[in-house]
Amino acid sequence: GAVVSQHPSRVICKSGTSVKIECRSLDFQATTMFWYRQFPKKSLMLMATSNEGSKATYEQGVEKDKFLINHASLTLSTLTVTSAHPEDSSFYICSVSHGNYEQYFGPGTRLTVT
Amino acid sequence: AQTVTQSQPEMSVQEAETVTLSCTYDTSESNYYLFWYKQPPSRQMILVIRQEAYKQQNATENRFSVNFQKAAKSFSLKISDSQLGDTAMYFCASVYTGNQFYFGTGTSLTVIP
Repeated sequence: GAVVSQHPSRVICKSGTSVKIECRSLDFQATTMFWYRQFPKKSLMLMATSNEGSKATYEQGVEKDKFLINHASLTLSTLTVTSAHPEDSSFYICSVSHGNYEQYFGPGTRLTVT
Repeated sequence: AQTVTQSQPEMSVQEAETVTLSCTYDTSESNYYLFWYKQPPSRQMILVIRQEAYKQQNATENRFSVNFQKAAKSFSLKISDSQLGDTAMYFCASVYTGNQFYFGTGTSLTVIP
């Protein structure tokens, strides 16, 4: 399967600041990446679909101005949480689309906003 | 709307025994894939098994097998000879055209030594 990395694995930031999370596809070019959010002991919630070279598609209820997604290359997508607040604390997971119906997941990033 | 339902929030099994996790889904699509993912305490999502809807034969991967009942829209996972390393959250997922995954709410499985 594909290898997907995320950086950082853990981040703590102060309320009101912004934080960027990187998702990299290490061994193939990914035209589509996905960003998920997961609360403790809950399922993955799709936030947005990131397409290389175009604007991301956000799921209903996800603020696009708060969760900025940039997919500038075929191997890198970034999620920036702007003006973070404690309620944004969560586990964020990216995945890359490989062929039809396949997704490979990154190891996740734990964000804590104090 | 595409929905995936896992009706067992928590399950436990004795080591070396067999356990079955349930999953049902709802779709009007004719072409789709079904997956079981494992999420251990590390939180890394690991693909356990995959089933193509057009294939009647149930998928198997070593100790893991599925019972795919297309008419009933059921996709259960059987884990044989359970091992301590199988302790994890298990998510059932479906995907259709466009690659968007629909996840169930998960089943927390504990293997008891």
